[in-house]
Amino acid sequence: DAGVTQSPTHLIKTRGQQVTLRCSPKSGHDTVSWYQQALGQGPQFIFQYYEEEERQRGNFPDRFSGHQFPNYSSELNVNALLLGDSALYLCASRTSGATNEKLFFGSGTQLSVL
Amino acid sequence: EDQVTQSPEALRLQEGESSSLNCSYTVSGLRGLFWYRQDPGKGPEFLFTLYSAGEEKEKERLKATLTKKESFLHITAPKPEDSATYLCAVQVRYNTDKLIFGTGTRLQVFP
Repeated sequence: DAGVTQSPTHLIKTRGQQVTLRCSPKSGHDTVSWYQQALGQGPQFIFQYYEEEERQRGNFPDRFSGHQFPNYSSELNVNALLLGDSALYLCASRTSGATNEKLFFGSGTQLSVL
Repeated sequence: EDQVTQSPEALRLQEGESSSLNCSYTVSGLRGLFWYRQDPGKGPEFLFTLYSAGEEKEKERLKATLTKKESFLHITAPKPEDSATYLCAVQVRYNTDKLIFGTGTRLQVFP
């Protein structure tokens, strides 16, 4: 049983560009959340998707947007990249009826903005 | 503002030398406190959830405890494979789908 899978694993972009990160949730999971983890920091909640809608959002600007597809996979889009967007982007999934004890994280996408 | 603070930032232990990691929190209402382990290049891996003061949970060499203001992760007789970053996170009542993480404690256990 594959866990949460993210692609790509590493990505290098320049300031002002746009990036799309992808996440496939663990089998049977229908709720996906995204987190940003800067170097030496803990993960910060970006937003959560369920039933193809954004359900909750953290303190991130509108440059950060997302999407969830009917197969529950998800994308995170970041526009007008800034140097400060360099971080590990983590996707996490669970079933909608489960508590966060059953939240599984992927290994993340390491984004470097030059 | 909800806040989670972990200490120390880094800890070096000799194999077999027991110690404790601290997580203090200031939140408007606690739904649960979580401990995760994170290895380099990996996502956080769930260890424990604690829900109320006085609660304790154990798993192998790890034991987590909770009071009204802080949580401790006790590591008994650690082994080199316990080396990792340990993250503490809280879930607050008014926002049940968001975890607020601390900055973590980087633990190194050497033979």
